[in-house]
Parts: sequence; structure tokens; C-alpha cells
Amino acid sequence: AQSVSQHNHHVILSEAASLELGCNYSYGGTVNLFWYVQYPGQHLQLLLKYFSGDPLVKGIKGFEAEFIKSKFSFNLRKPSVQWSDTAEYFCALGGYQKVTFGTGTKLQVIP
Amino acid sequence: NAGVTQTPKFQVLKTGQSMTLQCAQDMNHNSMYWYRQDPGMGLRLIYYSASEGTTDKGEVPNGYNVSRLNKREFSLRLESAAPSQTSVYFCASSGGAWGSSENTIYFGEGSWLTVV
Repeated sequence: AQSVSQHNHHVILSEAASLELGCNYSYGGTVNLFWYVQYPGQHLQLLLKYFSGDPLVKGIKGFEAEFIKSKFSFNLRKPSVQWSDTAEYFCALGGYQKVTFGTGTKLQVIP
Repeated sequence: NAGVTQTPKFQVLKTGQSMTLQCAQDMNHNSMYWYRQDPGMGLRLIYYSASEGTTDKGEVPNGYNVSRLNKREFSLRLESAAPSQTSVYFCASSGGAWGSSENTIYFGEGSWLTVV
């Protein structure tokens, strides 16, 4: 079985603060890992993905994530958040034939 | 540049009514999915189709049926709608083999369904 855990359900930050959202997974095979963002009223959009190679992955809008195999983690980071980053963020695990999503983290950035 | 298209965008149903959500992708993807999104529960997989002609249950299949009509289209049917099926439904697709850079999942814009 494959599963994804996101422990932070709701995060509130001030503009320019640094962001780290946790994601842990459980899966016995080769992993494909993703972070998606959902802005209010919109569908999910891909932020970044990891398949193999460099465990530090850079995505759009200044986001990055680090795959740490020993910790089964794929945390999302951004050095300085903006008000426009207010959204819900989903970590996802691609296993055999299907993709499993975490329950999401709502990020609220205060101007 | 359509990607994944799903219809309708909004629908209100009465308990017991049936309806079908349509989904089509133009990216020649093998795999297609139906998810539902509920507050605090993230996205939960209802059904998926790994290739044309095959369908499999996901986490929450009860009350739903699906049809992979051809490679492009994957429909979701509610035979007898219940208030617990009020949700936002997302169709998605992915292509390529696992581990390849092509295996990214792409989403439609969602269908807001209310069952009263």
C-alpha cells in the first residue's frame, strides 16, 4: 500500500517569511514524488516533481523540495513567501499505476 | 491547448437522481483518474484506468461507476446520488511509464456537484 502524510494542515506566515511544508510517504518501490498547488477556486497545478537524480528539485515560483530517502520525506520550501502564495498545497506519491495525494496544507500569507 | 476537459462544471442534483460526469484528454495519455475533493480530506481516488479497456477501484468507489470509452474519454456515473456525494470532482490523466519524466498527472478544472 502507498500513503502520503502532510502533518501541517494550516500554516499562517507573514510576507517574506520562510516556508517549509512537511511531506512523508510510505511505499516500498521506486517513488515519483510531486507537489501541487491549488489556488482558491482553481484546479491543481504542478509545482515540481522528483523522479530520480538530484534530490534537490527546483520548481516554479521559487519553490524547491528535497527528497530524503532515509527519512521517507519530500518537504517543500521557499525562502521568502508572498501574499500570492496563499493556496492549498498537496504532496503526492506516484506508485504502481496510481497517484496518491496527501490531505493538503492550507497556506495563508499575511501582507 | 485543452489538456483535460471535464463537464459539467456545476450541477445540482436531487437525491436519487443519476448523472454522468464526462472527461476527455487530448494528450494521448494512457492513464486516467477520477478524484473527489472534500474539505480537510484532500483528494481521494474514486476510480482509475491504467489503459484503454481497464478500470480499477480506488479508495472510495462505492456509489460510482466508470467507463473508459476509448483512450481519450473516461466518464464517471452516479447511479443514485446521495448528499454524501456532494463534492468537487476532478478528472486527471497521466502518460508515460513509471519513473519517466512524462508521468506527471494533469488535472481538469473540476466539477462542483451538489446533491440536495
